[in-house]
Amino acid sequence: AAGVIQSPRHLIKEKRETATLKCYPIPRHDTVYWYQQGPGQDPQFLISFYEKMQSDKGSIPDRFSAQQFSDYHSELNMSSLELGDSALYFCASSLSPGENEQFFGPGTRLTVL
Amino acid sequence: GESVGLHLPTLSVQEGDNSIINCAYSNSASDYFIWYKQESGKGPQFIIDIRSNMDKRQGQRVTVLLNKTVKHLSLQIAATQPGDSAVYFCAERDTGNQFYFGTGTSLTVIP
Repeated sequence: AAGVIQSPRHLIKEKRETATLKCYPIPRHDTVYWYQQGPGQDPQFLISFYEKMQSDKGSIPDRFSAQQFSDYHSELNMSSLELGDSALYFCASSLSPGENEQFFGPGTRLTVL
Repeated sequence: GESVGLHLPTLSVQEGDNSIINCAYSNSASDYFIWYKQESGKGPQFIIDIRSNMDKRQGQRVTVLLNKTVKHLSLQIAATQPGDSAVYFCAERDTGNQFYFGTGTSLTVIP
């Protein structure tokens, strides 16, 4: 069965650089979520999209932005990277905003040096 | 934001025994409570959810109990297997469709 695809799987950046993470949801899933998970931490909700519109906003820094495109894939853009941005970034998708069952991708591990 | 946390960071059980993972929450207005399992190097995987107006829900080998009086949530895993070894997170979903994860509990199943 198709799963959520994230790219890249690993990314190394320098401080103050920018990064773009991509997420391809499961086909027919119209809702996408982004989470940040620091080492040994719980996933922190960043932002979500439904039908290409921002749905909810969590603890996403102002330096980050995200969007969902017409093909439902989503991109998380991160600028002025800081050491503290080093984390696993998960994308999840669901059939609709009302679904509790989110399907998570394998994550992108971002390391900021 | 809302606070969701687990009582114990680690739990070790013998294979075949039942496991109980506990979670405390603080937001009484949450619509749903959800349990996720995260294996090493993978994203969280949905296990089971329970609506806030219920006190028990059963799935395959798992049971979730919700005690709204003391704001406590538990996940019971029957006949724990080595494949159940993972970090378990409870999460709550607010009315605004945001999901808040609690601190995970690492479950180790001893063969």
